[in-house]
Amino acid sequence: DQQVKQNSPSLSVQEGRISILNCDYTNSMFDYFLWYKKYPAEGPTFLISISSIKDKNEDGRFTVFLNKSAKHLSLHIVPSQPGDSAVYFCAARVDNYGQNFVFGPGTRLSVLP
Amino acid sequence: EPEVTQTPSHQVTQMGQEVILRCVPISNHLYFYWYRQILGQKVEFLVSFYNNEISEKSEIFDDQFSVERPDGSNFTLKIRSTKLEDSAMYFCASSPTKLARMGTQYFGPGTRLTVL
Repeated sequence: DQQVKQNSPSLSVQEGRISILNCDYTNSMFDYFLWYKKYPAEGPTFLISISSIKDKNEDGRFTVFLNKSAKHLSLHIVPSQPGDSAVYFCAARVDNYGQNFVFGPGTRLSVLP
Repeated sequence: EPEVTQTPSHQVTQMGQEVILRCVPISNHLYFYWYRQILGQKVEFLVSFYNNEISEKSEIFDDQFSVERPDGSNFTLKIRSTKLEDSAMYFCASSPTKLARMGTQYFGPGTRLTVL
Protein backbone atom coordinates (compact mmCIF):
# COMPACT_ATOMS: atom_id res chain seq x y z
CA ASP A 1 0.00 0.00 0.00
CA GLN A 2 1.98 2.97 -1.25
CA GLN A 3 -0.45 5.84 -1.18
CA VAL A 4 2.39 8.35 -1.00
CA LYS A 5 5.39 7.75 -3.19
CA GLN A 6 8.76 9.42 -3.38
CA ASN A 7 10.35 7.68 -6.29
CA SER A 8 13.84 9.11 -5.87
CA PRO A 9 15.51 7.54 -2.84
CA SER A 10 18.37 10.01 -3.13
CA LEU A 11 19.30 13.29 -4.79
CA SER A 12 22.59 15.19 -5.00
CA VAL A 13 22.70 18.90 -5.73
CA GLN A 14 25.48 21.48 -5.83
CA GLU A 15 25.41 24.20 -3.19
CA GLY A 16 23.59 27.29 -4.44
CA ARG A 17 21.55 25.38 -7.00
CA ILE A 18 17.90 24.44 -6.79
CA SER A 19 16.84 21.16 -5.14
CA ILE A 20 13.56 19.69 -6.36
CA LEU A 21 12.05 16.86 -4.35
CA ASN A 22 9.05 15.09 -5.78
CA CYS A 23 6.12 13.28 -4.25
CA ASP A 24 3.20 11.48 -5.89
CA TYR A 25 0.05 10.23 -4.28
CA THR A 26 -2.77 7.95 -5.28
CA ASN A 27 -5.60 8.88 -2.94
CA SER A 28 -7.63 11.77 -4.36
CA MET A 29 -9.18 12.28 -0.91
CA PHE A 30 -5.93 13.67 0.50
CA ASP A 31 -6.57 17.30 1.33
CA TYR A 32 -3.49 18.50 3.18
CA PHE A 33 0.17 17.84 2.58
CA LEU A 34 3.33 18.43 4.55
CA TRP A 35 7.05 18.16 4.06
CA TYR A 36 9.33 17.09 6.89
CA LYS A 37 13.09 17.09 7.10
CA LYS A 38 14.95 14.52 9.15
CA TYR A 39 18.58 14.51 10.24
CA PRO A 40 20.19 11.31 11.52
CA ALA A 41 19.42 10.56 15.18
CA GLU A 42 16.73 13.25 15.28
CA GLY A 43 12.97 13.24 14.85
CA PRO A 44 11.35 14.70 11.73
CA THR A 45 11.07 18.49 11.62
CA PHE A 46 8.11 20.18 9.97
CA LEU A 47 9.14 22.31 6.98
CA ILE A 48 6.15 23.50 5.04
CA SER A 49 2.56 22.53 4.29
CA ILE A 50 -0.02 23.07 1.61
CA SER A 51 -3.76 22.70 1.54
CA SER A 52 -5.47 21.15 -1.45
CA ILE A 53 -7.21 24.45 -2.18
CA LYS A 54 -3.86 26.02 -3.06
CA ASP A 55 -1.30 25.21 -5.70
CA LYS A 56 1.69 26.94 -4.16
CA ASN A 57 2.99 27.87 -0.74
CA GLU A 58 6.26 29.63 -0.08
CA ASP A 59 8.31 30.06 3.06
CA GLY A 60 11.74 31.57 2.64
CA ARG A 61 13.91 29.25 0.59
CA PHE A 62 11.22 26.56 0.54
CA THR A 63 8.33 26.42 -1.90
CA VAL A 64 5.84 23.61 -2.24
CA PHE A 65 3.85 23.17 -5.44
CA LEU A 66 0.73 21.06 -5.68
CA ASN A 67 -0.73 19.71 -8.91
CA LYS A 68 -3.99 18.07 -7.91
CA SER A 69 -4.88 16.79 -11.35
CA ALA A 70 -1.56 14.98 -11.54
CA LYS A 71 -1.64 14.03 -7.84
CA HIS A 72 1.85 15.41 -7.56
CA LEU A 73 3.62 17.78 -5.26
CA SER A 74 7.14 19.04 -5.18
CA LEU A 75 9.39 20.84 -2.75
CA HIS A 76 11.82 23.40 -4.15
CA ILE A 77 14.76 24.60 -2.10
CA VAL A 78 16.50 27.63 -3.50
CA PRO A 79 19.37 28.17 -2.97
CA SER A 80 20.41 24.82 -1.57
CA GLN A 81 22.82 24.85 1.36
CA PRO A 82 24.96 22.05 2.81
CA GLY A 83 22.84 22.19 5.98
CA ASP A 84 19.86 21.13 3.88
CA SER A 85 21.40 17.68 3.54
CA ALA A 86 18.85 15.39 5.19
CA VAL A 87 16.05 12.94 4.43
CA TYR A 88 12.88 14.68 3.26
CA PHE A 89 9.49 13.09 3.83
CA CYS A 90 6.29 14.00 2.10
CA ALA A 91 3.12 13.31 4.14
CA ALA A 92 -0.56 13.52 3.29
CA ARG A 93 -3.75 13.62 5.32
CA VAL A 94 -7.08 12.20 4.31
CA ASP A 95 -9.63 14.56 5.80
CA ASN A 96 -10.10 17.82 7.66
CA TYR A 97 -10.24 16.27 11.09
CA GLY A 98 -7.95 13.30 10.84
CA GLN A 99 -4.55 13.23 12.38
CA ASN A 100 -3.46 10.14 10.56
CA PHE A 101 -0.83 11.23 8.11
CA VAL A 102 0.50 8.85 5.50
CA PHE A 103 4.21 9.34 4.96
CA GLY A 104 6.25 8.69 1.86
CA PRO A 105 9.45 6.64 2.10
CA GLY A 106 11.67 9.71 1.99
CA THR A 107 14.34 11.14 -0.32
CA ARG A 108 17.89 11.63 0.93
CA LEU A 109 19.17 15.02 -0.24
CA SER A 110 22.90 15.67 -0.33
CA VAL A 111 23.98 19.24 -0.99
CA LEU A 112 27.58 19.28 -2.10
CA PRO A 113 29.78 22.27 -1.26
CA GLU B 1 13.37 26.61 22.43
CA PRO B 2 11.00 24.03 23.93
CA GLU B 3 11.37 20.51 22.63
CA VAL B 4 9.85 17.07 22.89
CA THR B 5 12.05 14.65 24.82
CA GLN B 6 12.00 10.87 24.78
CA THR B 7 13.54 8.26 27.05
CA PRO B 8 15.32 5.96 26.73
CA SER B 9 17.15 6.65 23.48
CA HIS B 10 17.64 2.90 22.99
CA GLN B 11 15.71 0.05 24.56
CA VAL B 12 16.63 -3.60 24.15
CA THR B 13 14.13 -6.22 25.25
CA GLN B 14 13.38 -9.89 24.92
CA MET B 15 10.45 -11.03 22.80
CA GLY B 16 7.31 -11.30 24.91
CA GLN B 17 8.39 -8.70 27.41
CA GLU B 18 6.49 -5.50 28.10
CA VAL B 19 8.11 -2.17 27.28
CA ILE B 20 7.14 1.38 28.12
CA LEU B 21 8.46 4.19 25.99
CA ARG B 22 8.33 7.60 27.59
CA CYS B 23 7.85 11.04 26.15
CA VAL B 24 7.63 14.51 27.59
CA PRO B 25 5.72 16.68 25.13
CA ILE B 26 6.06 20.45 24.95
CA SER B 27 4.33 21.81 28.03
CA ASN B 28 1.50 23.85 26.54
CA HIS B 29 0.68 21.38 23.80
CA LEU B 30 -2.64 19.57 23.84
CA TYR B 31 -2.32 16.85 21.17
CA PHE B 32 0.09 13.98 21.37
CA TYR B 33 1.13 11.35 18.88
CA TRP B 34 3.19 8.22 18.46
CA TYR B 35 4.77 7.19 15.18
CA ARG B 36 7.17 4.43 14.33
CA GLN B 37 9.74 3.87 11.62
CA ILE B 38 10.96 0.37 10.94
CA LEU B 39 14.54 0.47 9.69
CA GLY B 40 14.61 1.34 6.01
CA GLN B 41 10.87 1.93 5.82
CA LYS B 42 8.59 4.92 6.01
CA VAL B 43 7.33 6.71 9.09
CA GLU B 44 3.95 5.26 10.17
CA PHE B 45 1.27 6.85 12.30
CA LEU B 46 0.27 4.83 15.36
CA VAL B 47 -2.03 6.92 17.52
CA SER B 48 -3.13 10.40 18.49
CA PHE B 49 -4.26 11.43 21.97
CA TYR B 50 -6.23 14.40 23.21
CA ASN B 51 -8.08 15.24 26.39
CA ASN B 52 -6.96 12.01 28.01
CA GLU B 53 -8.28 9.74 25.34
CA ILE B 54 -7.29 8.28 22.02
CA SER B 55 -8.67 10.40 19.21
CA GLU B 56 -7.41 8.33 16.31
CA LYS B 57 -5.39 5.18 15.77
CA SER B 58 -4.08 3.19 12.86
CA GLU B 59 -4.45 -0.51 12.16
CA ILE B 60 -0.96 -1.02 13.52
CA PHE B 61 -2.13 0.09 16.96
CA ASP B 62 -3.70 -3.18 18.06
CA ASP B 63 -4.52 -4.52 21.52
CA GLN B 64 -0.83 -4.97 22.29
CA PHE B 65 -0.40 -1.22 22.35
CA SER B 66 -1.69 1.32 24.83
CA VAL B 67 -1.01 4.95 25.59
CA GLU B 68 -1.32 6.91 28.76
CA ARG B 69 -0.75 10.35 30.15
CA PRO B 70 -0.12 9.38 33.75
CA ASP B 71 0.56 12.90 34.96
CA GLY B 72 0.64 16.42 33.57
CA SER B 73 3.88 15.98 31.71
CA ASN B 74 4.55 12.43 30.53
CA PHE B 75 3.01 10.57 27.60
CA THR B 76 3.78 6.88 27.39
CA LEU B 77 3.47 4.10 24.84
CA LYS B 78 3.23 0.59 26.25
CA ILE B 79 3.72 -2.56 24.22
CA ARG B 80 2.41 -5.46 26.28
CA SER B 81 4.13 -8.42 24.72
CA THR B 82 6.79 -7.37 22.25
CA LYS B 83 7.33 -9.16 18.98
CA LEU B 84 10.40 -9.16 16.77
CA GLU B 85 8.58 -7.00 14.25
CA ASP B 86 8.05 -4.29 16.87
CA SER B 87 11.73 -3.41 16.46
CA ALA B 88 11.69 0.14 15.15
CA MET B 89 12.38 3.76 15.97
CA TYR B 90 9.42 5.17 17.88
CA PHE B 91 8.79 8.89 17.62
CA CYS B 92 6.62 10.89 19.94
CA ALA B 93 5.20 14.21 18.74
CA SER B 94 3.03 16.96 20.13
CA SER B 95 1.17 19.91 18.71
CA PRO B 96 -0.51 22.93 20.28
CA THR B 97 -3.65 22.49 18.22
CA LYS B 98 -5.41 19.73 16.40
CA LEU B 99 -3.22 18.85 13.46
CA ALA B 100 -5.52 20.82 11.22
CA ARG B 101 -4.62 23.16 8.44
CA MET B 102 -2.45 25.42 10.52
CA GLY B 103 -1.06 23.07 13.09
CA THR B 104 2.37 21.54 13.08
CA GLN B 105 3.86 18.73 15.04
CA TYR B 106 7.05 18.79 16.99
CA PHE B 107 8.80 15.45 17.05
CA GLY B 108 11.05 14.01 19.69
CA PRO B 109 14.40 12.42 18.81
CA GLY B 110 12.96 8.91 18.97
CA THR B 111 13.53 5.74 20.97
CA ARG B 112 15.12 2.85 19.15
CA LEU B 113 13.44 -0.36 20.29
CA THR B 114 15.27 -3.60 19.59
CA VAL B 115 13.38 -6.82 20.30
CA LEU B 116 15.58 -9.93 20.53
